Amino acid sequence: NAGVTQTPKFQVLKTGQSMTLQCAQDMNHNSMYWYRQDPGMGLRLIYYSASEGTTDKGEVPNGYNVSRLNKREFSLRLESAAPSQTSVYFCASSEPGTGAGELFFGEGSRLTVL
Amino acid sequence: EDQVTQSPEALRLQEGESSSLNCSYTVSGLRGLFWYRQDPGKGPEFLFTLYSAGEEKEKERLKATLTKKESFLHITAPKPEDSATYLCAVQSGGADGLTFGKGTHLIIQP
Repeated sequence: NAGVTQTPKFQVLKTGQSMTLQCAQDMNHNSMYWYRQDPGMGLRLIYYSASEGTTDKGEVPNGYNVSRLNKREFSLRLESAAPSQTSVYFCASSEPGTGAGELFFGEGSRLTVL
Repeated sequence: EDQVTQSPEALRLQEGESSSLNCSYTVSGLRGLFWYRQDPGKGPEFLFTLYSAGEEKEKERLKATLTKKESFLHITAPKPEDSATYLCAVQSGGADGLTFGKGTHLIIQP
């Protein structure tokens, strides 16, 4: 059982380049999330999707776009990467309601923007 | 705005030396408080959910407790494999997603 799978695991970009981080879950969860983790800042919510076809902004959405492609997949796009977007990105999924706080995380995508 | 503060930032213990990690929170209508464990280079792994003051949950050498303003993660007779960063998070009444603290980096020396 794979759980939450993120690709790529590592990526180096130049300022202004674009890229998409992919996330897929096989637990049939309705809710999916993108977080970023920076030293000294903790995990911060970028975007989330409560169900297929819906997306909402989190705490730090600027510079990012998301697509909930289907129930399994939730992608995060950087249209014009900036050095401030150097971070570790985590995708997570959960069930809504009482299970909403039990997040299942992927192993992370480590992005460096030069 | 929900806020979560964890202390200490780092803690080094000898194997078998019990201690507690603190998580103080400010939320408008607590729906749940959550503890996660994160190993280096990995995603966080869910440990516990606490919903109301007075509630306790246990798992092996870990016990989580909750009051109206803070939560404690008690570690009894820890082993080196308990070394990790422990994250606390809250979910408030109107929010989707969780608000995380910065974590406590725990090192257990043999």
